[in-house]
Amino acid sequence: GIQVEQSPPDLILQEGANSTLRCNFSDSVNNLQWFHQNPWGQLINLFYIPSGTKQNGRLSATTVATERYSLLYISSSQTTDSGVYFCALRRTNAGKSTFGDGTTLTVKP
Amino acid sequence: NAGVMQNPRHLVRRRGQEARLRCSPMKGHSHVYWYRQLPEEGLKFMVYLQKENIIDESGMPKERFSAEFPKEGPSILRIQQVVRGDSAAYFCASSEDRSVNEQYFGPGTRLTVT
Repeated sequence: GIQVEQSPPDLILQEGANSTLRCNFSDSVNNLQWFHQNPWGQLINLFYIPSGTKQNGRLSATTVATERYSLLYISSSQTTDSGVYFCALRRTNAGKSTFGDGTTLTVKP
Repeated sequence: NAGVMQNPRHLVRRRGQEARLRCSPMKGHSHVYWYRQLPEEGLKFMVYLQKENIIDESGMPKERFSAEFPKEGPSILRIQQVVRGDSAAYFCASSEDRSVNEQYFGPGTRLTVT
C-alpha cells in the first residue's frame, strides 16, 4: 500500500511564528487531504489538494504530485492552531484513505 | 446540509459486551468508511461500504467486528465481546464517490471498555 511519511513528528512554536509541515508519499495518488485534529479529537477538513496550491486565511497548502510531497504552511500561529495535523491520501478508485502518523503542533502563548 | 453524524459520541462497555456504533453520511453521499484511532496513534482504515454492499474490508479484524450499510438507515459498526484493546475512537467518513472527491469525517465515537 501507499507509504505516507509526515515531518516533523512534533513541533513547538511561540505564538506568532510560522511553520511548514511536510507530507511525503510513496505512490501516485489522485486525492490528498489535510486535516487538523483539535485537542477535543474532532477532525477538521483543511484542504483537499491533489495538486497545486490553495490558501485559506493563515493556512496554505501546496502539493507537487510528480515529486510526491505536499506542504502545509501555517503563518502567524495562534494557540488555537494546536493539535495534530494529518495528511491523508487516496489512490484512484481505492476508496479508503491512508493517513500519515501526523505532526503534533503545540503553540505557546 | 448536515455533516456526518455519529452516535453515540461516548460509549462505555464492560468486557464481553457488544458495542454498536452508528453513522449517518452527509446528504447525497452513498460511500461510507470506518476508521479506528487507537490512543496516541493515527487513523487506520477498517471498512468501506456502499448501500447494502461491503466494498473493502481489508482493515477489519477477522473476528468480532462487522459492518453494514442497509438500504435504509445508518451504517452500523458492530463489535461483539469487546476487549480492553478495542478502546479507541471510531470515526466514520462519507464521500460522493470512491476516488476523486473529499471525505468528510464525523465527530467520532469514543469507546471505552472497562
